[in-house]
Amino acid sequence: DAKTTQPPSMDCAEGRAANLPCNHSTISGNEYVYWYRQIHSQGPQYIIHGLKNNETNEMASLIITEDRKSSTLILPHATLRDTAVYYCIVRVALASYDKVIFGPGTSLSVIP
Amino acid sequence: DTEVTQTPKHLVMGMTNKKSLKCEQHMGHRAMYWYKQKAKKPPELMFVYSYEKLSINESVPSRFSPECPNSSLLNLHLHALQPEDSALYLCASSQADGGGYGYTFGSGTRLTVV
Repeated sequence: DAKTTQPPSMDCAEGRAANLPCNHSTISGNEYVYWYRQIHSQGPQYIIHGLKNNETNEMASLIITEDRKSSTLILPHATLRDTAVYYCIVRVALASYDKVIFGPGTSLSVIP
Repeated sequence: DTEVTQTPKHLVMGMTNKKSLKCEQHMGHRAMYWYKQKAKKPPELMFVYSYEKLSINESVPSRFSPECPNSSLLNLHLHALQPEDSALYLCASSQADGGGYGYTFGSGTRLTVV
């Protein structure tokens, strides 16, 4: 799976949009971009994924650049409960199982 | 049911004890996973089961022994652990068709080896 690079930490004011970047310059054509988050002492939680097109769900939006070498996770109105470590992962979704390898992630602090 | 349930939530064991961690899901997922997470580190993959067969062992020491007795249940048997094995042990499951909704994780078992 392609490697990803994320900033180690970010701050965001409560109520503002949080934009979390991820670089995946070696991504292959059949590799998806996935985002998970982990709130302190809980299991990681799936947020969103995408291949080429931008995606939106009830939690977040995912913007993938046209060359697919980077992406941004957007939390439109961050709340204190969004304080967590956010992991960007690229993987092939073709096997009868997944092999998800977590990098260090970005520690997002939402500030009142 | 959209949850992965792990028991116990906390476990303290001595280095000569034998204990087991249990993970259960009823979402029809046919792939199940064990991860280990040390404090302030990302989760590290240990084992992958697909259709009840061990597909990946990430060079985990033999004192950790996984078992998948059926499609809903995953166990991790622990024996002769070391204090450095103290960590949060996470179980996850996913569809085994390459489909796209990622993993569902349990809340983990916090293990302390004394």
